[in-house]
Amino acid sequence: QQPVQSPQAVILREGEDAVINCSSSKALYSVHWYRQKHGEAPVFLMILLKGGEQKGHEKISASFNEKKQQSSLYLTASQLSYSGTYFCGTEPDSGGYQKVTFGIGTKLQVIP
Amino acid sequence: EAGVVQSPRYKIIEKKQPVAFWCNPISGHNTLYWYLQNLGQGPELLIRYENEEAVDDSQLPKDRFSAERLKGVDSTLKIQPAELGDSAVYLCASSLDITGASYNEQFFGPGTRLTVL
Repeated sequence: QQPVQSPQAVILREGEDAVINCSSSKALYSVHWYRQKHGEAPVFLMILLKGGEQKGHEKISASFNEKKQQSSLYLTASQLSYSGTYFCGTEPDSGGYQKVTFGIGTKLQVIP
Repeated sequence: EAGVVQSPRYKIIEKKQPVAFWCNPISGHNTLYWYLQNLGQGPELLIRYENEEAVDDSQLPKDRFSAERLKGVDSTLKIQPAELGDSAVYLCASSLDITGASYNEQFFGPGTRLTVL
């Protein structure tokens, strides 16, 4: 089942912070985050596994609350290069192989 | 290290014509994925290969779509005949799935943008 992302779009000024949320109706094993710039391939940001861990990647970090079946991506002190569409992909906690299902994305635009 | 290579990057065909897309994954990656991405949507899995075996093709419309991954390296996705609704970006991704690993990072290619007229 497709995860729900919010907001659908956001505009930031350079240096501002943003939070992108991803929620699922199913118990999750992992959450994957990717960023895609227009006309380019999605680029991997990070994977979070069940256990409520938090990960960081430069000024981009994420959390995973397995009880709430939610993940949040945090972008701090945004840069122009952060512009793009952010996708979360979720893998159900059903044992064995489960495909990753992606949300429709959150379009982020950082302006000077 | 070279990334995932796809060709062609763009393809325009008339409906009912056949079309084929080619993907060369990252060297050593045993798992290969084909995704379809419609405008404003996230990637949707069509088929997943582990080496040369298709382990998940449940979302592949088998009446018109086919795929192969001979020798467990390159892969080809074919549509015959193409319909107007097939216009989309077709993404290929690969990953290295190590036995016992609990996650797999997927590396995506640039995609093939298909336009069916």
